[in-house]
Amino acid sequence: DGGITQSPKYLFRKEGQNVTLSCEQNLNHDAMYWYRQDPGQGLRLIYYSQIVNDFQKGDIAEGYSVSREKKESFPLTVTSAQKNPTAFYLCASAPPAGGRGYTFGSGTRLTVV
Amino acid sequence: AQSVTQLDSQVPVFEEAPVELRCNYSSSVSVYLFWYVQYPNQGLQLLLKYLSGSTLVKGINGFEAEFNKSQTSFHLRKPSVHISDTAEYFCAVSAFNNNDMRFGAGTRLTVKP
Repeated sequence: DGGITQSPKYLFRKEGQNVTLSCEQNLNHDAMYWYRQDPGQGLRLIYYSQIVNDFQKGDIAEGYSVSREKKESFPLTVTSAQKNPTAFYLCASAPPAGGRGYTFGSGTRLTVV
Repeated sequence: AQSVTQLDSQVPVFEEAPVELRCNYSSSVSVYLFWYVQYPNQGLQLLLKYLSGSTLVKGINGFEAEFNKSQTSFHLRKPSVHISDTAEYFCAVSAFNNNDMRFGAGTRLTVKP
């Protein structure tokens, strides 16, 4: 079955360390997205990519970086510059045409201690 | 650009009672409309979507929503809720000509026995 896989499900890191969250899809979707979710704050867009080797900043890109070297993969790095990285991170993908909606991964819960 | 307002941040309801989760949208162009459900520590799952045609759309788990163009609303309803419906619900909108999706802030539905 096609879908999006995020790994790991839970991640613990020490303050000051960079950490990379994995997102892989086998849906042949062109677009991929990263969202951050905090309690009571809905979804906030971090980065998105509409095509391989190209990506754009979302609303809260500071302290994060991404790459899109393959269509299937869109990893997110949470850098030490991110002041409050503890959150639930969601990856999504979508085909180019509207109307299909987004397909979401199951999320990664990052805790920085 | 499109925007979405979910009018209730929390909706408590007793089991087997009916429920309505309200969603209004704003857009200068024609749109597609979606409802997603998120269970704790999981990703978002598509409940239903409106693309065109009949304004009443039916989704999974007995949910339905009605598109009202004049009132720019897309309210979600279920005639009789179960404990298992306890979750966060997100309304979303995207324009016809792209896959840029905007999400509401979410409504937490709590079903009590």
